[in-house]
Amino acid sequence: TAGITQAPTSQILAAGRSMTLRCTQDMRHNAMYWYRQDLGLGLRLIHYSNTAGTTGKGEVPDGYSVSRANTDDFPLTLASAVPSQTSVYFCASSDSEEGVQFFGPGTRLTVL
Amino acid sequence: LAKTTQPISMDSYEGQEVNITCSHNNIATNDYITWYQQFPSQGPRFIIQGYKTKVTNEVASLFIPADRKSSTLSLPRVSLSDTAVYYCLVGDIGGSSASKIIFGSGTRLSIRP
Repeated sequence: TAGITQAPTSQILAAGRSMTLRCTQDMRHNAMYWYRQDLGLGLRLIHYSNTAGTTGKGEVPDGYSVSRANTDDFPLTLASAVPSQTSVYFCASSDSEEGVQFFGPGTRLTVL
Repeated sequence: LAKTTQPISMDSYEGQEVNITCSHNNIATNDYITWYQQFPSQGPRFIIQGYKTKVTNEVASLFIPADRKSSTLSLPRVSLSDTAVYYCLVGDIGGSSASKIIFGSGTRLSIRP
């Protein structure tokens, strides 16, 4: 099984432009998450979704939006990118009962 | 939220046993202790999880004292491929509480030949 896939692998984006990072899981997990990881630091939660149709804000939600139209997909949108959003973005999912999160390979985003 | 404290870095040699200790003085009754491993340019990977006493799997052991205010991840006979960052997470991982899990900066483990 693929587990969690993310696209694109990397992207260079001009400041002010919008972009959607894609995340798809095939494990039928209820919960999904978006994290950012800045160079040399730990992961910080941006947004999460406990189940399809619901979303919530994490530690650093400003400048980002998410949607959860179905169980498998959890896209992250940057409406107007700024250089401080340069980071590696990880998507994760978990079964709501077990809770252990499984991570995707990440998207490396550079905003110039 | 239970704050965790772990060493910033550790060094060891191939074949040695490595123990990484994490302090979590404010752990709550419903909180689990979970360890992740992260290699460069990859997402974190689940290693082991426990609630109390000792848990062992094919990769590692997790020792949790009775007061649960700390935990120790034990990696037996490490190899160069164990060089990674290790994160200790504490929280009620079920349902919406999983969103409250905080990743700190982790412990950067370097294994030498």
